[in-house]
Amino acid sequence: LAKTTQPISMDSYEGQEVNITCSHNNIATNDYITWYQQFPSQGPRFIIQGYKTKVTNEVASLFIPADRKSSTLSLPRVSLSDTAVYYCLVASNTGGGNKLTFGTGTQLKVEL
Amino acid sequence: DGGITQSPKYLFRKEGQNVTLSCEQNLNHDAMYWYRQDPGQGLRLIYYSQIVNDFQKGDIAEGYSVSREKKESFPLTVTSAQKNPTAFYLCASSDTGVSYNSPLHFGNGTRLTVT
Repeated sequence: LAKTTQPISMDSYEGQEVNITCSHNNIATNDYITWYQQFPSQGPRFIIQGYKTKVTNEVASLFIPADRKSSTLSLPRVSLSDTAVYYCLVASNTGGGNKLTFGTGTQLKVEL
Repeated sequence: DGGITQSPKYLFRKEGQNVTLSCEQNLNHDAMYWYRQDPGQGLRLIYYSQIVNDFQKGDIAEGYSVSREKKESFPLTVTSAQKNPTAFYLCASSDTGVSYNSPLHFGNGTRLTVT
């Protein structure tokens, strides 16, 4: 099963670009990488998902190198409202079900 | 408006009592999950279910039980055997009929306090 490792915390200022990297050395051939954002006392919400190279949507970009052993979530021009915990998740199909295990996440703090 | 509903938002129980947390989804998703989150910690998987009438233990299943009698419902019972039940509980679902990589949809959680 792919285990993920992320920095525990990051600090930034409004208007800056933030890059959060996740390591997943044991990722399997068919696994995708998914990122979630969580605010206090709420459930995580989906941000972006990718398999390889680069994916971009209206809120973020996801960069995945050729070996797929890591991925980087890029948040352009962050604001105070981006202060949250960010999780990367790699699905592992065990055959008996879809065991989705989260890592500890990265606490992003954005200041003025 | 499709989504996942967890109820109640806050729940208080005395030690030694079993308590059942509700999770209902109207997204027609096959898979459902229960996670536990402690203050300042990540999410830990308790149980998950791929289809009706089938479920698997996650990483911290001891002291918990689940049932999946209907596709839209996946209730979690916190039993008296769970030594530290006070936590934030999150339910999620995903459309694994499309792909096992389908993103998770989460409810807004139930905060359980046991004294």
